[in-house]
Amino acid sequence: KQEVTQIPAALSVPEGENLVLNCSFTDSAIYNLQWFRQDPGKGLTSLLLIQSSQREQTSGRLNASLDKSSGRSTLYIAASQPGDSATYLCAVRRETSGSRLTFGEGTQLTVNP
Amino acid sequence: GAVVSQHPSWVICKSGTSVKIECRSLDFQATTMFWYRQFPKQSLMLMATSNEGSKATYEQGVEKDKFLINHASLTLSTLTVTSAHPEDSSFYICSASKPSGRPYEQYFGPGTRLTVT
Repeated sequence: KQEVTQIPAALSVPEGENLVLNCSFTDSAIYNLQWFRQDPGKGLTSLLLIQSSQREQTSGRLNASLDKSSGRSTLYIAASQPGDSATYLCAVRRETSGSRLTFGEGTQLTVNP
Repeated sequence: GAVVSQHPSWVICKSGTSVKIECRSLDFQATTMFWYRQFPKQSLMLMATSNEGSKATYEQGVEKDKFLINHASLTLSTLTVTSAHPEDSSFYICSASKPSGRPYEQYFGPGTRLTVT
């Protein structure tokens, strides 16, 4: 059974700091990995999707890396802003599960002005 | 685009009553829709997967007679919580996947906050 773990559970940083969120998964047979953002009481916004054959994806100040063999992914946020405050979730899609996603429990990020 | 809506965005109901939540794909036809439940400060837990015109597949531990899912068309799925109890209070999120585009990507709705008193 696939398990996804995110560390840390919560993170508070001053504005402008660069930061890294970590995600690990137990079964390396994944199709892809996706990072989401969730604001309080809201649905999910997809940030980055990395296919299993890729090493990283970038979008603006966000960079996600994937090391499939070691079961790890990181989300790097450069020059953090208060508007980045949210919960960040990673989710993996197994090769044989079709659309089905397994989520981690998230990292709650607070960026202080 | 790929927009998914949910209605209502929040609902309060009395214990013992039933409540229906709608999930719609607004600008695409969704071959598969998913229903998730999220408790405070926890992650999303998949409840069931539904394909248009067929019965939903429920995850282990999810009572199919309590959480009725109907995927009647390619743009609409409904989740009915029957005989709701306070422990059913949660945030329910649906998602939908397209038959085309990036394979297997899910598009998420904004969620429905259910409070059972």
